[in-house]
Amino acid sequence: QSALTQPPSASGSPGQSVTITCTGTSNDIGAYNYVSWFQQHPGKAPKLMIYEVTKRPSGVPDRFSGSKSGNTASLTVSGLQAEDEADYYCNSFASSNDVLFGGGTKLTVL
Amino acid sequence: EVQLVESGGDLVQPGGSLRLSCAASGFVFSNYWMTWARQAPGKGLEWVASVKQDGSERYYVDSVKGRFTISRDNAKNSLTLQMDSLRVDDTAVYYCARGRAGLIWGQGTLVTVSS
Repeated sequence: QSALTQPPSASGSPGQSVTITCTGTSNDIGAYNYVSWFQQHPGKAPKLMIYEVTKRPSGVPDRFSGSKSGNTASLTVSGLQAEDEADYYCNSFASSNDVLFGGGTKLTVL
Repeated sequence: EVQLVESGGDLVQPGGSLRLSCAASGFVFSNYWMTWARQAPGKGLEWVASVKQDGSERYYVDSVKGRFTISRDNAKNSLTLQMDSLRVDDTAVYYCARGRAGLIWGQGTLVTVSS
């Protein structure tokens, strides 16, 4: 049950795009199209931003998009805004019937 | 509106027990897998356990197997996490979430294990 790997930090200026990666194995990300991304502001509950790799829940801006290639999933935030500054977590189903989370990425808007 | 409201968090001594509850509303509870996840202070998210719609399948993270039990009551739209033999490293905010991947989350309840 090893965690998925995310970079600890990412940053970009307002209006720019930033991509956060989430790397797993052929037993989790590579095996399933069930990767989700969550946004968490300090002291708040996680909020779903992307599910099933590319799908966006209603109410989530289309500036947020997801993709996957092999064992790595990515979250791209386009047109960065100040309110996008938060921690971002990925998760994925795993073949062991577990659900794995990434360690989280702190996104800073410069 | 979908709502998940956790309760039961408290300060407990190592080796003690605690029972967390989650009240669900705004959706057909019996149609969904349900999940508990946690977040230790200053740390990332961790999946803890999930239970199938009818309770027939339950899965746990290795660190809680044999100590925690997830259960549900579809008639009462409620989810429970029975936590026994609690350890200091179980200290965390515990979240109830809808779905195996936890697609909708409650606000969480704080469990502190300390002597």
